[in-house]
Amino acid sequence: AQSVTQLDSHVSVSEGTPVLLRCNYSSSYSPSLFWYVQHPNKGLQLLLKYTSAATLVKGINGFEAEFKKSETSFHLTKPSAHMSDAAEYFCVVSRTNSGYSTLTFGKGTMLLVSP
Amino acid sequence: GAGVSQTPSNKVTEKGKYVELRCDPISGHTALYWYRQSLGQGPEFLIYFQGTGAADDSGLPNDRFFAVRPEGSVSTLKIQRTERGDSAVYLCASSLRFDRYNEQFFGPGTRLTVL
Repeated sequence: AQSVTQLDSHVSVSEGTPVLLRCNYSSSYSPSLFWYVQHPNKGLQLLLKYTSAATLVKGINGFEAEFKKSETSFHLTKPSAHMSDAAEYFCVVSRTNSGYSTLTFGKGTMLLVSP
Repeated sequence: GAGVSQTPSNKVTEKGKYVELRCDPISGHTALYWYRQSLGQGPEFLIYFQGTGAADDSGLPNDRFFAVRPEGSVSTLKIQRTERGDSAVYLCASSLRFDRYNEQFFGPGTRLTVL
């Protein structure tokens, strides 16, 4: 079975400082991993995805994540936070069943950005 | 282009009533998913459609929940004899294909409140 654990329910940073949102996964085989962002009253938006082509994945809005198999981690980072980054972030693993996939979400990390 | 749309955006009902939640996927997307997001949790998979048929309904919590997609486009999630524990945001997503690397595009959700 696949699962993800987001290690922090809330992360607070100041604008202009680095962001680190932590995620560990559990999978019985090579996983597909995603980060989604959810702004208030808006739909979930894909930030980036890991598809085994490269361990360092670059996404939208300056975010990136590194897949580390030895640590079973897929942490999300950004060098410099912006006020507009304040949102909830979900680490997601894709579960594949007979040719199709469904998503298993972590519980989410709320990112708070202060001026 | 138009994204995934869901109606209504909010639904308040009384315990024991029947409700229908509608999802309009992105045109041309054959795969459609329903998820439920309870307060403070990440979305949880409910059901997956490939075309008109429900390929995986393993996430439906009980037989009060049912979903249809009669023409392979619009889908309706139906909940009978609603209970207070059904209160949550119901999310719909669609994707062009069903492989595990494929991005699922999410709608803004329907917030269901059962009084």
